[in-house]
Amino acid sequence: EDQVTQSPEALRLQEGESSSLNCSYTVSGLRGLFWYRQDPGKGPEFLFTLYSAGEEKEKERLKATLTKKESFLHITAPKPEDSATYLCAVQGPRNNDMRFGAGTRLTVKP
Amino acid sequence: DADVTQTPRNRITKTGKRIMLECSQTKGHDRMYWYRQDPGLGLRLIYYSFDVKDINKGEISDGYSVSRQAQAKFSLSLESAIPNQTALYFCATSDPGTSGATDTQYFGPGTRLTVL
Repeated sequence: EDQVTQSPEALRLQEGESSSLNCSYTVSGLRGLFWYRQDPGKGPEFLFTLYSAGEEKEKERLKATLTKKESFLHITAPKPEDSATYLCAVQGPRNNDMRFGAGTRLTVKP
Repeated sequence: DADVTQTPRNRITKTGKRIMLECSQTKGHDRMYWYRQDPGLGLRLIYYSFDVKDINKGEISDGYSVSRQAQAKFSLSLESAIPNQTALYFCATSDPGTSGATDTQYFGPGTRLTVL
């Protein structure tokens, strides 16, 4: 069965303290791995799609990387406005195959 | 204006009541989805629709039904609500494009449903 596990569940950083969030997955025939940001009381906001091992994408202070078993979301010099829950999802070969992790709740203190 | 809207945003109802959650989109996407989100469990797929005549069950469809009234509208119904259906409900849309490759899903703001 396809599985997505995100770690840690929660992460507290000081402003400027870089770190990484992990998304480990098992899926047969990965079509894509997605990262979303979710603020309290809002829907998930799309950040990145990664398609194959070795691929990297960047947006402002965020950089997502992908291997055959896991993805990392690196946050460089975070700011308080980066505080949110970050969700990872994988899509397998079937149309209803989007599987989400439980998320990492990131808090950045000024 | 938001591309994906959901109504109501909050709803409190009683056990046994029938309720409907509505989703509208202006993105022009053919594919629409309903998810529920529970603390610690992540988003789980309830139903999805790839066009107006296509309805498919997701991972957790029991106790739910859907209606795709138009390309832009997809409704979720709880025929007889029960307390363990208390959750956040999200609608999403996607468009695989001409390649049919993996398609990014875009989410609405959510409906917080409480069943007493």
